[in-house]
Amino acid sequence: GESVGLHLPTLSVQEGDNSIINCAYSNSASDYFIWYKQESGKGPQFIIDIRSNMDKRQGQRVTVLLNKTVKHLSLQIAATQPGDSAVYFCAEKFGNNDMRFGAGTRLTVKP
Amino acid sequence: DTEVTQTPKHLVMGMTNKKSLKCEQHMGHRAMYWYKQKAKKPPELMFVYSYEKLSINESVPSRFSPECPNSSLLNLHLHALQPEDSALYLCASSQVPTGSGGAFGEQYFGPGTRLTVT
Repeated sequence: GESVGLHLPTLSVQEGDNSIINCAYSNSASDYFIWYKQESGKGPQFIIDIRSNMDKRQGQRVTVLLNKTVKHLSLQIAATQPGDSAVYFCAEKFGNNDMRFGAGTRLTVKP
Repeated sequence: DTEVTQTPKHLVMGMTNKKSLKCEQHMGHRAMYWYKQKAKKPPELMFVYSYEKLSINESVPSRFSPECPNSSLLNLHLHALQPEDSALYLCASSQVPTGSGGAFGEQYFGPGTRLTVT
């Protein structure tokens, strides 16, 4: 079946470096994508979203890129900080009735 | 107030018990959600309420019974659970997107209830 997945289950970066977290999706009908950050013991926290009619969206220190040709979504975090250490999930919505989360990537920031 | 609160934080229950999880938000959101999250796994959607009506039930067993008594509150009633139901149960809320017949706007999640079924 169609699903959301991630290329890398873990990512370790040096503080101050840029991080890139990737996500592959296979449902071409998905029209809305979201990145969430989940810290230990907490619920997921919205980071940034993008609609399927866009290919790039920027927030504060974060950028989401959407490549519909290859069904790929990425989250770029600039100047990664220790507080960015968490599990990052992409999620896709298709139609009004379904939202699926990807498997998650654990980001570890080394001081 | 951009907080979603959930009670209790932790719950241990036997397989014959009846318990309820509670969720509350005061952001004026008209969509509320229950998710189940097993350890090291992504959240899995269980139920969606839109304008206090159940709009999505992701084939969840009947031992889980959701209730939305008003626009601020969401409950999940538990009865005759199995040990494999042990998980983190997350509540979320969002605006209902304009022009949308469904939900799934930017969701705000609560901290979850850690449920253990013995």
